[in-house]
Amino acid sequence: AQSVTQLDSHVSVSEGTPVLLRCNYSSSYSPSLFWYVQHPNKGLQLLLKYTSAATLVKGINGFEAEFKKSETSFHLTKPSAHMSDAAEYFCAVTRNNAGNMLTFGGGTRLMVKP
Amino acid sequence: DGGITQSPKYLFRKEGQNVTLSCEQNLNHDAMYWYRQDPGQGLRLIYYSQIVNDFQKGDIAEGYSVSREKKESFPLTVTSAQKNPTAFYLCASSISGNQPQHFGDGTRLSIL
Repeated sequence: AQSVTQLDSHVSVSEGTPVLLRCNYSSSYSPSLFWYVQHPNKGLQLLLKYTSAATLVKGINGFEAEFKKSETSFHLTKPSAHMSDAAEYFCAVTRNNAGNMLTFGGGTRLMVKP
Repeated sequence: DGGITQSPKYLFRKEGQNVTLSCEQNLNHDAMYWYRQDPGQGLRLIYYSQIVNDFQKGDIAEGYSVSREKKESFPLTVTSAQKNPTAFYLCASSISGNQPQHFGDGTRLSIL
């Protein structure tokens, strides 16, 4: 069965410093992976997706993630945090080759200090 | 603008009452999904539908029911059998498998 582990439930950074949100997955096949962001009382917005093309994926708002099969990781990074980046971030993996269901990680709350 | 509309934004349920959450999309997506989100937790799949007039149970379907009579609509009923319904409910849709899911802004359900 597929699973997703977000290694940190909370991450705190200062504005202007790099962001690293960690995601490890397990899968019995080659999955697609996604990062979503959620602001309070809102739905999830897609940041980026990996679907077996380039292993370094660029997303919106300056975020990017690198798919590392050998490490079963898909960590999300951003060179310089903005106050507006403060939100909850979710990593998700497709459950099967049809890709019609996702398994989500438990989420990481990113706090950005001025 | 295309998107997913969930209503109401806030909903209150009395003991023994069924309530229905609305989800409408104008993205022409075939697949639709319902998730439950509890504080500090990820999303858990309740039901999903790949096509009109067909739907499947997800991981936590007990106490919930759905219908998919129209492509654009996928309402969720929280029945009285669901003993712990207080949560944030999110509806999503996607074109097809392996494509990203698009989410509505959610409905927060509470018990009176």
